Amino acid sequence: NAGVTQTPKFQVLKTGQSMTLQCAQDMNHEYMSWYRQDPGMGLRLIHYSVGAGITDQGEVPNGYNVSRSTTEDFPLRLLSAAPSQTSVYFCASSYSPTGKSIGNTIYFGEGSWLTVV
Amino acid sequence: SQQGEEDPQALSIQEGENATMNCSYKTSINNLQWYRQNSGRGLVHLILIRSNEREKHSGRLRVTLDTSKKSSSLLITASRAADTASYFCATDGKNNDMRFGAGTRLTVKP
Repeated sequence: NAGVTQTPKFQVLKTGQSMTLQCAQDMNHEYMSWYRQDPGMGLRLIHYSVGAGITDQGEVPNGYNVSRSTTEDFPLRLLSAAPSQTSVYFCASSYSPTGKSIGNTIYFGEGSWLTVV
Repeated sequence: SQQGEEDPQALSIQEGENATMNCSYKTSINNLQWYRQNSGRGLVHLILIRSNEREKHSGRLRVTLDTSKKSSSLLITASRAADTASYFCATDGKNNDMRFGAGTRLTVKP
């Protein structure tokens, strides 16, 4: 029962470095998303995808890129890491876009702790 | 911007007491969900309530929704130390996304 798998769990980057956070789900979910969680801020949506080949921006997309070449994978790329991107990142998936459905449970990965120094 | 906002930010109670958390949101919704997050872990879905529902139960959880006031409450009855966690409400946004509040940190003392 893998569910949503994120890697790496922990990462330290230097300012200006780039990296990719990997996310994979094995539930054949159409909808996948990336959130960041900062103290006192709750979860903020970075990017989301409603299906393979389709991505869109969330609340805080600047500094991040995504792609969705397959249903299973939704990697998040940090182009040039900045200290402001120090955060906990969560990948999530659900069966379909919640706004158009009767409401679907969102499944979350365990999180990736990123520190940019 | 966040859609849902939880209140209070932190809540500390004794085991056996009831815990009530509130969520307010800004725009109309199709459904509202509550999630739980243990320290250092991902969020786990607890319960979903649709906009045409007023109350829903699941075990020791009771959720109410008042769309006229744009608010929801989560009641955990007979709390246990294991209920210690952060609780988030989430509402569907206008662009097929789900927006979360900042959460309520619940501490249940044994």
